Amino acid sequence: AQSVAQPEDQVNVAEGNPLTVKCTYSVSGNPYLFWYVQYPNRGLQFLLKYITGDNLVKGSYGFEAEFNKSQTSFHLKKPSALVSDSALYFCAVRDQTGGFKTIFGAGTRLFVKA
Amino acid sequence: DAGVTQSPTHLIKTRGQQVTLRCSPKSGHDTVSWYQQALGQGPQFIFQYYEEEERQRGNFPDRFSGHQFPNYSSELNVNALLLGDSALYLCASSRQETQYFGPGTRLLVL
Repeated sequence: AQSVAQPEDQVNVAEGNPLTVKCTYSVSGNPYLFWYVQYPNRGLQFLLKYITGDNLVKGSYGFEAEFNKSQTSFHLKKPSALVSDSALYFCAVRDQTGGFKTIFGAGTRLFVKA
Repeated sequence: DAGVTQSPTHLIKTRGQQVTLRCSPKSGHDTVSWYQQALGQGPQFIFQYYEEEERQRGNFPDRFSGHQFPNYSSELNVNALLLGDSALYLCASSRQETQYFGPGTRLLVL
């Protein structure tokens, strides 16, 4: 069965500092991995994905994520946080060989303080 | 190019009623998935439609049903509404592995 864990309900970081939002996953086969961001009263906005290939994936708005197969992790990172990055972040996984169901984590709220 | 659109934006129903939510996919997308997002939680997969057929279903009762039309737009129907059905309902469209989400329909069941 597929599962996603985002171990931190909330991450606080000062503007200009690097940020990391953690995600670990479990699938039977190889994963498709995604990060989405949600602003208040809005739908989810796609940030980046890992399908295959280079373990470091670059996405929108300066975000990147590192796929680590041995640790089954896909942590979201940004070198320098902005106040406007404050939002709810979701990690998601889909098993490449297990159908079409995408499983989302519970979300991590990011607060960036000026 | 319009993104994924959903209607209505908000809806209030009473227990036992039925509701229909609508979704138009992003141009060029042929697959539509529906998700339920309860307050403070991540989206939960309801089902996915492709070529007008339900291709996969999550752990939701038969009260939840859907349809996909030849133009790839989709409807989500929920019968016999319960208080616990109150949530944000998200539609996502895709052509390959990446899903793009609409703004959602917020359903309140009283």
